[in-house]
Amino acid sequence: GAVVSQHPSRVICKSGTSVKIECRSLDFQATTMFWYRQFPKQSLMLMATSNEGSKATYEQGVEKDKFLINHASLTLSTLTVTSAHPEDSSFYICSASGGQQETQYFGPGTRLLVL
Amino acid sequence: GNSVTQMEGPVTLSEEAFLTINCTYTATGYPSLFWYVQYPGEGLQLLLKATKADDKGSNKGFEATYRKETTSFHLEKGSVQVSDSAVYFCALRGSSGNTPLVFGKGTRLSVIA
Repeated sequence: GAVVSQHPSRVICKSGTSVKIECRSLDFQATTMFWYRQFPKQSLMLMATSNEGSKATYEQGVEKDKFLINHASLTLSTLTVTSAHPEDSSFYICSASGGQQETQYFGPGTRLLVL
Repeated sequence: GNSVTQMEGPVTLSEEAFLTINCTYTATGYPSLFWYVQYPGEGLQLLLKATKADDKGSNKGFEATYRKETTSFHLEKGSVQVSDSAVYFCALRGSSGNTPLVFGKGTRLSVIA
């Protein structure tokens, strides 16, 4: 099946710094990418939906100025956690889809730990 | 809004036992239903799906039937293996447009030899 990669797989940073997470679709053009957050023993919670070339649509309660999403090309979306704090520590997962009702393919996730 | 409820784990079974993981949903219209599996250290993988009522999705010995009358999509496997140990997520996607998936909380399955 299609492959979606995420980088880095794990990151530890100090409180107040910014962290960028990349999500790439390796063998298909992803018109839509989704960013999820997963807390321990919890389900995936959608943070935002990003269409190539458009501004991301954020879910209620997700701060768009804190979680900056850029989807500049059909194969790359980035999530930047600005001024990270310990409560932002979580597992961030992206998924990519090629179009209407297409299957979503998930990246392996990025574990962020903010000290 | 749309939501998914699945049985809480963890579930521990002996090899060759029968598996059922319950999943029910709440949604308007005619959603598509999915089971995803997350093996240790890996990303989510689509296990099976069903897009309309009475459809049965199947893969790797797992199957689930889209039951609109009971709003359920229970996952079953007749004989589990140690390699099936993973976290299983039930999910749905609304019927309009390229909408995101809504996930259940996940059920951790451990199969012991």
